[in-house]
Amino acid sequence: DVKVTQSSRYLVKRTGEKVFLECVQDMDHENMFWYRQDPGLGLRLIYFSYDVKMKEKGDIPEGYSVSREKKERFSLILESASTNQTSMYLCASTSGGETNSYNEQFFGPGTRLTVL
Amino acid sequence: TQLLEQSPQFLSIQEGENLTVYCNSSSVFSSLQWYRQEPGEGPVLLVTVVTGGEVKKLKRLTFQFGDARKDSSLHITAAQTGDTGLYLCAGLRNYKLTFGKGTLLTVNP
Repeated sequence: DVKVTQSSRYLVKRTGEKVFLECVQDMDHENMFWYRQDPGLGLRLIYFSYDVKMKEKGDIPEGYSVSREKKERFSLILESASTNQTSMYLCASTSGGETNSYNEQFFGPGTRLTVL
Repeated sequence: TQLLEQSPQFLSIQEGENLTVYCNSSSVFSSLQWYRQEPGEGPVLLVTVVTGGEVKKLKRLTFQFGDARKDSSLHITAAQTGDTGLYLCAGLRNYKLTFGKGTLLTVNP
C-alpha cells in the first residue's frame, strides 16, 4: 500500500520558534509538494520539488523554506513561526519528471500546526 | 495564478437526493482532477479527466470535463451518508495543481 507519512498529526509551537515538518513517501516519486489548507481558502501551494536538492516556490512561499536531501523526504521549515502560520499542512507526492496529465497526487494525513 | 471557482461551498441534502458540484475557471488545464477529503485525512483522488467533453462514471458519481477544458462538474445520484465529505477540484498545469476551495457535502439520513 503506497504511503505518504508526515512526522506529526498535531503540533503546538510558540511564536518565534523554528519548526520542522517532515514528509516521507515510499513510492519513489520524483515530485513532492507542501500545501497549507485553511477554511475558506482551500489548499494553497507553498513549495514543491521535482528532484533531489531542487525546489520551486509555490503561490505562498513567504515565511517558509524547504529541504530535499533525499528523494523520499521533503521537509518544510518555518524559520520563525508566527500565529498566521497556524494551519493544516499537507504533503503530497507524484511520479513523473515531466508534466503528466494523469498524475495522481498522493497526500499525507496532514499536520495541524498551532502557533501560540 | 489560475483561479478555480467551485460552487456551492456548502451543501446539505437528504439521503437519496441528487446533487451537482461545479468547478469553473477562465484558464485551460491539461487535466482536471477531483479529490475527496474526510476529516483528519488528506485528499484522495476520485478521478482525472483529460479530454474536452470527457465523461467518467464512478458508481453513482459522474464527472464531466468541459469542451474547452476550463470547467468540470461532479454529479452524485441518490446520495448516501457515506458520500459526506469535502470535494475538491484541481486543475493540473506544469507539474502543479491549482485547487478550488472545495464543496463541503453533508448527506443526512
